[in-house]
Amino acid sequence: DAGVTQSPTHLIKTRGQHVTLRCSPISGHKSVSWYQQVLGQGPQFIFQYYEKEERGRGNFPDRFSARQFPNYSSELNVNALLLGDSALYLCASSLGASAGIYEQYFGPGTRLTVT
Amino acid sequence: AQSVTQLGSHVSVSEGALVLLRCNYSSSVPPYLFWYVQYPNQGLQLLLKYTTGATLVKGINGFEAEFKKSETSFHLTKPSAHMSDAAEYFCAVSGNGANSKLTFGKGITLSVRP
Repeated sequence: DAGVTQSPTHLIKTRGQHVTLRCSPISGHKSVSWYQQVLGQGPQFIFQYYEKEERGRGNFPDRFSARQFPNYSSELNVNALLLGDSALYLCASSLGASAGIYEQYFGPGTRLTVT
Repeated sequence: AQSVTQLGSHVSVSEGALVLLRCNYSSSVPPYLFWYVQYPNQGLQLLLKYTTGATLVKGINGFEAEFKKSETSFHLTKPSAHMSDAAEYFCAVSGNGANSKLTFGKGITLSVRP
């Protein structure tokens, strides 16, 4: 079975622009979570979606938004990009919404560079 | 609220030596604890996790960790390091609620010397 896939692999944007990152979960997984990993730091939780509903939001500004589609794939959108948004964005899928109960499987990430 | 502290950012060991990576947690509810490994340019892979029951947890690639509630610790060990163990290691904590999320530490880079 295919693992979690993310696109694009790398992305370079200019300050003020908008970006959309995409994630396809493992087949059968209904939950998708997004994490931001700044260089030298651990991943930080941004959003979780389960059955197309938002189930959790981390401490990120409203410039960050996400959605989950009927096929359980997901998009992360970031508006008005700042230099500080440069990071590796990780997507994780799982069978259920509880990270304590259902193992999260991570994709390889999208490396976003904002110049 | 939950948090994880991983002291030190880099650990270097010789091949064949003991690996010990430290993790301390803070949690207002019974914690679920995890260790993940990240190889360069890759996502995170689960090494092992503690939920309930046996406090000594065995994971993949010969790693194990022991949950010590009295010390609020979940240190990761491996008896004999291999060159392929060189990577970044993250400790994480979550609750057991319906919408619980992972909270990660800053990570520790493990180097293995030949």
